[in-house]
Amino acid sequence: RKEVEQDPGPFNVPEGATVAFNCTYSNSASQSFFWYRQDCRKEPKLLMSVYSSGNEDGRFTAQLNRASQYISLLIRDSKLSDSATYLCVVRYNTDKLIFGTGTRLQVFP
Amino acid sequence: NAGVTQTPKFQVLKTGQSMTLQCAQDMNHNSMYWYRQDPGMGLRLIYYSASEGTTDKGEVPNGYNVSRSTTEDFPLRLLSAAPSQTSVYFCASSLDKTRGYTFGSGTRLTVV
Repeated sequence: RKEVEQDPGPFNVPEGATVAFNCTYSNSASQSFFWYRQDCRKEPKLLMSVYSSGNEDGRFTAQLNRASQYISLLIRDSKLSDSATYLCVVRYNTDKLIFGTGTRLQVFP
Repeated sequence: NAGVTQTPKFQVLKTGQSMTLQCAQDMNHNSMYWYRQDPGMGLRLIYYSASEGTTDKGEVPNGYNVSRSTTEDFPLRLLSAAPSQTSVYFCASSLDKTRGYTFGSGTRLTVV
């Protein structure tokens, strides 16, 4: 079983739609959680950290469920510019981050 | 403030050649990392360094070597290039355990 698993997609949604991605992780000792965004042929960029109480950044909401070991990302009012691959990332009690393989989002007009 | 700088951006090597991918950061980050990214495989850790003078193997270290003689630089050396090392290589740095990584723009390497 992969340490971090994501549905690869693609998720094809119209502008203005709400879309949600889930991610599961296998190690219950995971301590830090992040969502990264990666555009085609570019480097990953930190989108947001995920906190135990859940957190919001504009149109983006991240949730953490430690009991079920999953993380979610909700995007409201999707924009064309949201089209990208979204990487779920976890850290155990080390410096190292473990990356999921990503979920591809395509927003169409 | 340049962040994390990787050179070269593109490289073609012949099987058996050696080369060094350069990575430099100007953020005074303690930790630095090398990942490779292949289709369907996600980002896999090659080597990392928690601080100047220390290095540790990651998930896929075979065929590579690193050193960390300064805080700023973390070069990745391919010892004898193989077609299986064709990939996109990303260097990243991090201030501490609570933070995410800042990535460089990547090096696209093709081994023929």
